[in-house]
Amino acid sequence: GENVEQHPSTLSVQEGDSAVIKCTYSDSASNYFPWYKQELGKRPQLIIDIRSNVGEKKDQRIAVTLNKTAKHFSLHITETQPEDSAVYFCAVTGTYKYIFGTGTRLKVLA
Amino acid sequence: DTGVSQDPRHKITKRGQNVTFRCDPISEHNRLYWYRQTLGQGPEFLTYFQNEAQLEKSRLLSDRFSAERPKGSFSTLEIQRTEQGDSAMYLCASSLPGQGLSLHFGNGTRLTVT
Repeated sequence: GENVEQHPSTLSVQEGDSAVIKCTYSDSASNYFPWYKQELGKRPQLIIDIRSNVGEKKDQRIAVTLNKTAKHFSLHITETQPEDSAVYFCAVTGTYKYIFGTGTRLKVLA
Repeated sequence: DTGVSQDPRHKITKRGQNVTFRCDPISEHNRLYWYRQTLGQGPEFLTYFQNEAQLEKSRLLSDRFSAERPKGSFSTLEIQRTEQGDSAMYLCASSLPGQGLSLHFGNGTRLTVT
């Protein structure tokens, strides 16, 4: 079955710096790659997603890049702010089952 | 509020008791999922419904777990003879049909088995 690895597990950055989180997957049939942000005690919420026919997508300070050949995709957050502190999960799906990474705890230090 | 709703938010039960959780998806979403999340981990897939049909059940689920979606709307997840290892956050999510569509999560039910 599909396997998703996410790195790093924790990431601390200074406010204003950039943060990058990377996920790798195993199933070449995967075609949709969302990223979720989960704040403490709250539900995971979609922040950005990318489909397999696109290499990059940007939404203000957040971007996602996809390399289908290498089977990896990354979340980029620029100009980080304290409110970006949370746990971020990548996910992968090809049909209906979404497989999640193990999460990255991002701490933005003021 | 037209989001995914789950009930109860918290459940504390003694080992060996049965518990049942409810999920009401977004009304036009015909896909419904149950996930389990433990501290420091990502959501783990448990089961998936398309309308009222349960199309997949994870090997993570023992025969103590059963889920239903009788009319293709709300769903219930029942755990029989609970064990301490069942303690986790149980998340429900729904989506529209079709590929490449995001999941919308509920706030979850936090189960604590003492």
